[in-house]
Amino acid sequence: GAVVSQHPSRVICKSGTSVKIECRSLDFQATTMFWYRQFPKQSLMLMATSNEGSKATYEQGVEKDKFLINHASLTLSTLTVTSAHPEDSSFYICSARPSGNLSWEQYFGPGTRLTVT
Amino acid sequence: GQQVMQIPQYQHVQEGEDFTTYCNSSTTLSNIQWYKQRPGGHPVFLIQLVKSGEVKKQKRLTFQFGEAKKNSSLHITATQTTDVGTYFCANGGSQGNLIFGKGTKLSVKP
Repeated sequence: GAVVSQHPSRVICKSGTSVKIECRSLDFQATTMFWYRQFPKQSLMLMATSNEGSKATYEQGVEKDKFLINHASLTLSTLTVTSAHPEDSSFYICSARPSGNLSWEQYFGPGTRLTVT
Repeated sequence: GQQVMQIPQYQHVQEGEDFTTYCNSSTTLSNIQWYKQRPGGHPVFLIQLVKSGEVKKQKRLTFQFGEAKKNSSLHITATQTTDVGTYFCANGGSQGNLIFGKGTKLSVKP
């Protein structure tokens, strides 16, 4: 089956530093990947849609300059949380939609737990 | 994607009892998906519904899409402890982006 990996799985960083999270589709190509954030006991909130070779589309209220997204290849998207603050601590999950797939089915990575101290 | 409201937020059942979670929208939905997230895990795709009145079954799980395409439900017959988790409905947008409901957390007492 389709597998999506995320790295790192957990990261602790100090306030003011930047953290990069990688999302890889391991056995399929994904023109489009998505980044979600999930706070404890809450639902997934879409942050942005990442398209290979073009700029990401951010949801309302998500700061583009703070959450930098790069989708340089059909199997890799990265999310960089810049100048992280404690309120950015959350579970970040990516998903990938197989290229050419007409359905909305997408495959989720295992998530990255970010803690900002 | 469109906003979707999901109820109940929590459901505690005895093993063997049935379970249902409901998803509603004020506008017509082009599609609805259902995902399951185990504690500490990530969402796993269960099903996609696109047709008015569509009903799909997966073993003990029954998924329905309303005639007006404004509501959907997931029903589990005779729950088992392996059914524990949070069930989310989601509406997909034109780019495939998903807008999730708040989820229903199911706990099953053996």
